Amino acid sequence: GDSVTQMEGPVTLSEEAFLTINCTYTATGYPSLFWYVQYPGEGLQLLLKATKADDKGSNKGFEATYRKETTSFHLEKGSVQVSDSAVYFCALRMMNTGFQKLVFGTGTRLLVSP
Amino acid sequence: EAGVTQFPSHSVIEKGQTVTLRCDPISGHDNLYWYRRVMGKEIKFLLHFVKESKQDESGMPNNRFLAERTGGTYSTLKVQPAELEDSGVYFCASSLNNEQFFGPGTRLTVL
Repeated sequence: GDSVTQMEGPVTLSEEAFLTINCTYTATGYPSLFWYVQYPGEGLQLLLKATKADDKGSNKGFEATYRKETTSFHLEKGSVQVSDSAVYFCALRMMNTGFQKLVFGTGTRLLVSP
Repeated sequence: EAGVTQFPSHSVIEKGQTVTLRCDPISGHDNLYWYRRVMGKEIKFLLHFVKESKQDESGMPNNRFLAERTGGTYSTLKVQPAELEDSGVYFCASSLNNEQFFGPGTRLTVL
């Protein structure tokens, strides 16, 4: 079945460091890809998305590019802030079916220190 | 506009007891979803309502779980009887079209 694999955490960085969180997927068709973020005590929020190959999603300084050839959607940010500390989830959704469920990875906790 | 709300935020029960979780979606959202995250693992889909009808319940783990959405507004998820492995965070989400908006989750602990 469809699945998402993302790197184990926690990822610990100093403020202003470069961030990469790896995400790869397995899908029978052509999914849309998402990154969600969960800040402490809050629900999941959509961070960015990409709906087709070579699309780049971006938001709040974060970017991810849909790479069909490597089935990847790695999350990057050039300079992290303490406020970016959260759990990040990579997810996919098959768009060519009537089913709208999201398939998530295990989540990666990011800890940014001053 | 109010977001998705869930009640309670935390619940601690003993094995064999019954628990009912509630989700209030964003007003006007026909689609309502339940997901679960067990102990640091991936968030897994449980089921999807369109209004009051179950569109997809392929993720429901067993018949101890019962989800309802009478009237197509709020939804409840009942676990009866609860088992230890049911512990986790239960998320609800709603959508009008494509983007799903999530609630803060209910943390369920079964002792």
